[in-house]
Amino acid sequence: GEDVEQSLFLSVREGDSSVINCTYTDSSSTYLYWYKQEPGAGLQLLTYIFSNMDMKQDQRLTVLLNKKDKHLSLRIADTQTGDSAIYFCAETPDGNKLVFGAGTILRVKS
Amino acid sequence: NAGVTQTPKFQVLKTGQSMTLQCAQDMNHNSMYWYRQDPGMGLRLIYYSASEGTTDKGEVPNGYNVSRLNKREFSLRLESAAPSQTSVYFCASTKDPGRGYGYTFGSGTRLTVV
Repeated sequence: GEDVEQSLFLSVREGDSSVINCTYTDSSSTYLYWYKQEPGAGLQLLTYIFSNMDMKQDQRLTVLLNKKDKHLSLRIADTQTGDSAIYFCAETPDGNKLVFGAGTILRVKS
Repeated sequence: NAGVTQTPKFQVLKTGQSMTLQCAQDMNHNSMYWYRQDPGMGLRLIYYSASEGTTDKGEVPNGYNVSRLNKREFSLRLESAAPSQTSVYFCASTKDPGRGYGYTFGSGTRLTVV
């Protein structure tokens, strides 16, 4: 079947904005999630968006949802070195389980 | 609260050995999950338990079995370990998967099969 797709790597300078993109597969996904994984750790929920929303803002994080194109993005404003991690988007196609993308490695250069 | 606790954190097995990965959550969550993480492949679902007393296969169940022992505990068993099962295993739980509560993840078990 189709996969949740993410670009594999993003490099930005400290203080710049980062935009991580994701294309998901199932238009019936009610919730779409962004998770962060730091080295050697488990996944930490960053934010989520309900499918009837176009945008959600939470401090430095902005999530944009384009349901027509099944495109999800995460913008991190004023990116810091502590934001360096792997970011995963995830969908809930049948409401019972999360399906993840392969993850985007964000590297922040000081 | 401890959240989701996984044991052990690290394990090395020889091919053909068996072992059980333990997971426990103290958040009174209904649903629990086992994922494996391999480089460049994200997290793939092995098995899940939508509620106490039920278990279902995920995307990659072959070579694994699970037991939902009670509401708190969900174990993953490898009956005869193979090198292809070298991975990082994550347990997760959620109150209600369809209501935006998100999933809480354990810190992972790093398994190497030689």
